[in-house]
Amino acid sequence: AQSVTQLDSHVSVSEGTPVLLRCNYSSSYSPSLFWYVQHPNKGLQLLLKYTSAATLVKGINGFEAEFKKSETSFHLTKPSAHMSDAAEYFCVVTFNFGNEKLTFGTGTRLTIIP
Amino acid sequence: DAGITQSPRYKITETGRQVTLMCHQTWSHSYMFWYRQDLGHGLRLIYYSAAADITDKGEVPDGYVVSRSKTENFPLTLESATRSQTSVYFCASSESRGTYEQYFGPGTRLTVT
Repeated sequence: AQSVTQLDSHVSVSEGTPVLLRCNYSSSYSPSLFWYVQHPNKGLQLLLKYTSAATLVKGINGFEAEFKKSETSFHLTKPSAHMSDAAEYFCVVTFNFGNEKLTFGTGTRLTIIP
Repeated sequence: DAGITQSPRYKITETGRQVTLMCHQTWSHSYMFWYRQDLGHGLRLIYYSAAADITDKGEVPDGYVVSRSKTENFPLTLESATRSQTSVYFCASSESRGTYEQYFGPGTRLTVT
């Protein structure tokens, strides 16, 4: 069965320092991978997606993620954190079975320290 | 305005009551989804629909009923609400097969007392 694991439930960084949110997936198939962000009391918004093109994917608000097949990972990074980045981040995977179903990780809460 | 809307945004109901959560999208997306969000579980798929009159179960369908008579609407009904159904419910939609990006509504916070 497909699954996705977010390795940290909570990450705290200081404003202006790098952000790293970790995600691993398990699958025997070729995945599509996404990162979604959820600000407090809001719906989810797509940050970026990987769909078998370039392995380094750039998203909105300065975020990027690298797909590493050998490590089955899709970690999210940002060079310099901003206060507005404080939110819940979800790593999401689908295995291109054609039914559009997504499998969500349990989320990482990112806190930015002023 | 174009987009995906959910109503109500907040609902308190009693155990055993029937409650319906509404979802409406203006993009004419083929696919629509219902998720519930609970602490420690991320989002879990309840039901989804590939088109009008086509629905299928997700990961946690028990206690829920859906219908989709029109492309733009996808209501979710809790036939007899239980406390375990206290959650935040998100509706999402997606274009036809191949894009996979889903667009989410603002959510409905449901409390069952």
